[in-house]
Amino acid sequence: AQSVTQLDSQVPVFEEAPVELRCNYSSSVSVYLFWYVQYPNQGLQLLLKYLSGSTLVKGINGFEAEFNKSQTSFHLRKPSVHISDTAEYFCAVTPRGYQKVTFGTGTKLQVIP
Amino acid sequence: DAGVIQSPRHEVTEMGQEVTLRCKPISGHDYLFWYRQTMMRGLELLIYFNNNVPIDDSGMPEDRFSAKMPNASFSTLKIQPSEPRDSAVYFCASSSGQGTSTDTQYFGPGTRLTVL
Repeated sequence: AQSVTQLDSQVPVFEEAPVELRCNYSSSVSVYLFWYVQYPNQGLQLLLKYLSGSTLVKGINGFEAEFNKSQTSFHLRKPSVHISDTAEYFCAVTPRGYQKVTFGTGTKLQVIP
Repeated sequence: DAGVIQSPRHEVTEMGQEVTLRCKPISGHDYLFWYRQTMMRGLELLIYFNNNVPIDDSGMPEDRFSAKMPNASFSTLKIQPSEPRDSAVYFCASSSGQGTSTDTQYFGPGTRLTVL
């Protein structure tokens, strides 16, 4: 079975400051990793995903994440946040070859003007 | 493409009533997922289908919940009878699997269900 841990339930950050949202996962098999974003009153949409290859993955809206196999982490980063980045961010994992995705509990990013 | 379509967007009902949530996946997608999101339990997978066949319904809370996919372009999630603890946002998502798990899930806007 897989599990995802997002340690921070809320992260406040000032506009134009950098941010890191942490994600750790647990799995006995190889996995694919994802970050999704949910804006208020909307469904989730994909930010980025790691399947294989380079451990640094770039996504939409200037976000990037780094896969660290030894630390079983997949932290999300952005060098300079905007007000429009205020949303909830979900880390997710799925075993290779399966469609069932396990989501973390989410991290609410609050960008302060 | 219009994306994943869900209806209704909001539903308010009284305890004991039957509730039916509807979903139209993206055309050509062969996987369909139903999720429930609450403050207490976060995002939970209820059931998913592949080519209209239920693959895993282990997340369905109890017998009051049932889901069907009569064809590739339509699915329903039914709660009968509904209870206040069923109040949540229900999301439908679809993806194109083609036998791998590499594909992105596309979420609908959700149905906010309130059971009084």
